[in-house]
Order: sequence, then structure tokens, then C-alpha cells
Amino acid sequence: EVQLVESGGGLVQPGGSLRLSCAASGFTFRSHWMSWVRQAPGKGLEWVATIKEDGSIKYYVESMKGRFTISRDNAENSLYLQINSLRAEDTAVYYCATVSYYKAEHWGQGILVTVSS
Amino acid sequence: QSALTQPASVSGSPGQSITISCTGTSNDVGGYNWVSWYRQYPGEAPKLMIYDVTNRPSGISSRFSGSKSGNTASLTISGLQPDDEADYYCSSFTPINNIGVFGGGTRLTVL
Repeated sequence: EVQLVESGGGLVQPGGSLRLSCAASGFTFRSHWMSWVRQAPGKGLEWVATIKEDGSIKYYVESMKGRFTISRDNAENSLYLQINSLRAEDTAVYYCATVSYYKAEHWGQGILVTVSS
Repeated sequence: QSALTQPASVSGSPGQSITISCTGTSNDVGGYNWVSWYRQYPGEAPKLMIYDVTNRPSGISSRFSGSKSGNTASLTISGLQPDDEADYYCSSFTPINNIGVFGGGTRLTVL
């Protein structure tokens, strides 16, 4: 069974940084593209970033470029999202997902990031 | 990148059929057959329901079907059931960011 478990969220002050993690199991992690998707409270879904199986290619939604960094460790079956200079508008539930041909097949349960002073 | 356009809400009675539209441009929905649909219950993660415009993942009921005409994709749910009540999101690949773009979401109410 595919399992994706996000961690690392919480309350952060504006301007701070956070590193989200996603632990993968139940499938061959190193063979899958992976993505982060976020959802602000009461709002819709928003793609954040995608990374190739070996980490050699990374794509970001334009508004996320510069402050967000997606990475992975295939030896640890883990996906990461580093977010710097956090803003109130980054408050959201962040999901990790397996991606295949631009569809998100399996999703984690999500982790809440709250940016507030 | 603008979100794809979905109706904010649709409703139907048990047993009826409903269709949710998802309108984009020739740069996303109209240009590629990589349109997918997701169902999300409150407080839960989204679930893939339709991919590549018309395909259903294993385990998804045949009551769910997808189609596309020009720049508009559609999700049809036939034989509405109470547990179909949820939010539904479409998504399409776009070469603008090589990732994708979501629609704003549609709240389905089963009356």
C-alpha cells in the first residue's frame, strides 16, 4: 500500500523558514516523479513544485520560484520542501503526491503550515 | 498562470446525473489530453478520479466519466449518491510551468 506521510509543519513567524518532509513507503520511490501541492484554508488546490525521479529536474510554479526548494533523498525514500522568507499567504496545508504524466496519483494526508506572529 | 474555471457549485438529487465543467485555454485544457479530476471530502486529501481526460484509475466507479471539447473538460457523475457530495477539482498540464494548473473547485451538493 502506498503511504506518504508529511511532517515538519507548524506555526512559524513571518520571515522564518521551514523544511517539510514526506516519508514514502509501499512503492519504488526512486522511480516516481513527486510533487508538492498546497491548499490555503477554505481555498482551492495549488501546485507548488515537481521533481524528477533522480532529482535532476525541478519545476516550480512561477509564484513559488526563489523561496521554495524541492529536493529528495532516494536512499531515505524522502521528499522535502524548503520554504524561506515565509509570508502569511503561505499558510496552507501542504500535500506531497506521486506524479505520473501530470496527474497526482497518491496523496499524503497533508501538513498544516501556519505563518503568523 | 490563471486557474482553470469551474462553477462554484452544482447540485443534484440522488439517482440523477450532473456535469461539472472546467474551462481553460488552448495552452492547457485545449492543447493537451492531460486533464485530471480530483474529489476531496472536507478535512481529507484529494483523490484522483479521472486522468488523461477520460480514464478512471483502478477502483473508481464507472459512474464517473470525463470528456473534453475544445478548451473545456467535463466530469459527469451518473446515478448520484449521497457520498458523492464533496469538492471536485480539475487540473491540466500547462507548458508555462511544466507542472499544471488547478481549477478553482466545485462544491457538489446531493439534495
